Amino acid sequence: EAGVVQSPRYKIIEKKQPVAFWCNPISGHNTLYWYLQNLGQGPELLIRYENEEAVDDSQLPKDRFSAERLKGVDSTLKIQPAELGDSAVYLCASSLDGYEQYFGPGTRLTVT
Amino acid sequence: RKEVEQDPGPFNVPEGATVAFNCTYSNSASQSFFWYRQDCRKEPKLLMSVYSSGNEDGRFTAQLNRASQYISLLIRDSKLSDSATYLCVVTHTDMRFGAGTRLTVKP
Repeated sequence: EAGVVQSPRYKIIEKKQPVAFWCNPISGHNTLYWYLQNLGQGPELLIRYENEEAVDDSQLPKDRFSAERLKGVDSTLKIQPAELGDSAVYLCASSLDGYEQYFGPGTRLTVT
Repeated sequence: RKEVEQDPGPFNVPEGATVAFNCTYSNSASQSFFWYRQDCRKEPKLLMSVYSSGNEDGRFTAQLNRASQYISLLIRDSKLSDSATYLCVVTHTDMRFGAGTRLTVKP
């Protein structure tokens, strides 16, 4: 069974530029999560989807971050404009039952 | 105060040693508890769930103390391959991760 797929794996952009990350969850997993992980820290939830509905986006900085999950499968996370402090690993995870989460390999973003 | 707190370590132990990690959480209404393992530059992976009665999986034992609001992970007979960061996870309305405890097992 294929795991959670994310792309790109690495991204380097200049500040003020836009960037987008893509996630394809495990087939059949209705719950999808986007996390941000800084070095030496645990993942921090940005947004959680149940099918196509964002049920928890309280931690998403909405002035510059946006996300969508059209058709309740793939999801895209966007940052516009990126700031230096956005450099981190962006992890996508999916879950069948809302408890055990399966993580993708992440996208390592560097903003210069 | 962070919702989930862990000793960051690092814990450096010899092969065969027994090592224990603790994790405290602040929300007494938390419902589910997990330990995840994260290797360097890799994604977190579920190691084990933590049940109220405690549970064991091979060399790994997890325990929950709701009264004191902490969970623990015990690793017996440490292997080199156990070297990783261990993340404590507590769930209420969503999952909250601790910052992780780094373990290095040396020959």
